[in-house]
Amino acid sequence: KNQVEQSPQSLIILEGKNCTLQCNYTVSPFSNLRWYKQDTGRGPVSLTIMTFSENTKSNGRYTATLDADTKQSSLHITASQLSDSASYICVVSSTGGGNKLTFGTGTQLKVEL
Amino acid sequence: GAVVSQHPSRVICKSGTSVKIECRSLDFQATTMFWYRQFPKQSLMLMATSNEGSKATYEQGVEKDKFLINHASLTLSTLTVTSAHPEDSSFYICSAPNGDTQYFGPGTRLTVL
Repeated sequence: KNQVEQSPQSLIILEGKNCTLQCNYTVSPFSNLRWYKQDTGRGPVSLTIMTFSENTKSNGRYTATLDADTKQSSLHITASQLSDSASYICVVSSTGGGNKLTFGTGTQLKVEL
Repeated sequence: GAVVSQHPSRVICKSGTSVKIECRSLDFQATTMFWYRQFPKQSLMLMATSNEGSKATYEQGVEKDKFLINHASLTLSTLTVTSAHPEDSSFYICSAPNGDTQYFGPGTRLTVL
């Protein structure tokens, strides 16, 4: 069964600090891995997308890594801002069965003053 | 980037009524759209795949007759929750693929009294 697990479940950090969110997956066959940011009461917004051959991808203060061998990904947020407070969701796409997406349960990040 | 809109953003209805939610891809065409449901503090759960010009594909456990999907054009899919009950109260989100990226709508908050 395809699964995506994220940790931690929730995280509180001070503004300006860095943090790293983890994603482990057991999705096969693997197509790509995406990180999304979901603000409360809003739809998810894409941050990064990585295919099998990509190890790292950056989008501003967000840097995602992918280790396809260990089936792990991380999302590093640098110099956090209050507006970074949101749920971060790891989504893995499988090439089988019509490019199906498997969603992680998300990490709820809160950035405080 | 590509934009997906949903209407309405919020709806409150009485038990037994039907509610229609629209999902539009504003600047690209989508032969396939996806409908999700998200309960508080949980991840998105795929309900069905909407296919332009053909019947929708429903996930296991999702009632076809209760959640009617119509993909009338390459830019519009509708989800109708028929005879809604309080347990149908949830956050409904649609998405549409454009290239490698899945673009999500802002969501519709349905509250059934």
